[in-house]
Amino acid sequence: AQSVTQPDIHITVSEGASLELRCNYSYGATPYLFWYVQSPGQGLQLLLKYFSGDTLVQGIKGFEAEFKRSQSSFNLRKPSVHWSDAAEYFCAVGSSNYQLIWGAGTKLIIKP
Amino acid sequence: GAGVSQTPSNKVTEKGKYVELRCDPISGHTALYWYRQSLGQGPEFLIYFQGTGAADDSGLPNDRFFAVRPEGSVSTLKIQRTERGDSAVYLCASSLNPRGDYEQYFGPGTRLTVT
Repeated sequence: AQSVTQPDIHITVSEGASLELRCNYSYGATPYLFWYVQSPGQGLQLLLKYFSGDTLVQGIKGFEAEFKRSQSSFNLRKPSVHWSDAAEYFCAVGSSNYQLIWGAGTKLIIKP
Repeated sequence: GAGVSQTPSNKVTEKGKYVELRCDPISGHTALYWYRQSLGQGPEFLIYFQGTGAADDSGLPNDRFFAVRPEGSVSTLKIQRTERGDSAVYLCASSLNPRGDYEQYFGPGTRLTVT
C-alpha cells in the first residue's frame, strides 16, 4: 500500500542552525514528491516538488530537498532557519492523477 | 490574484445539526478537492470534482457527507446529522489540471467543532 512516513512529530532547532526533516515513502511507481508548509491560520503552501531530473530540488524560502530512490526518501533541508520558519511541514506523494498521499506532518519549533 | 477562499473560517454546531461549508476556488481552476484534517494528521482526501461532476467521492466517510459544485466553480460540502467525530479542519484545494504534476492550491480551511 502507498504510504508516507514522517518519523519526527516535533523538531526543535535553534534560530540560525541547519534543519533536516525526514520523509520516507512507499510507492510502486515513480512518484511525484512534494513538501508543503502549514502556518497557523494559513492554508497549505507548496515549498517544492520533484517529478524527474536532478534529484536535488530547490524551493521557496531557501528550502531544498533531495530525492534518494535507493532509500525511498525525500528529506527537506535548510542551511539556516529563521524564527518565521516555525510551522508544520507535510510531505506528500502523488502520481499521474490527482491523488496525494500525505504524511502526518512534522512540527518545527524554533528556539531563539 | 485571489487564492482559494473558504467560509466560514470557524463553525461551532451542536451534535445532530446540519452544516454547510463553502469553497471558492481560484478562477479558471477546473479541479477542486475537499480534504479533512484532524489534529496531528495530514490531510485526508474526501472528494474531487472535475468541472461540475464529482469524479471521485471515495473518501467521503459515509452518506451524511455530500458535496456539490453546480456551476463548476464554488463548491459546498454538506454534513447532515453532525457527530462529534466530524470535528476537524476541512480544507479545500483547486488546481488548473487534475494531473499529479499540477500544484494544488489550498484555502485556509474551515475549523468545524461539533459539541
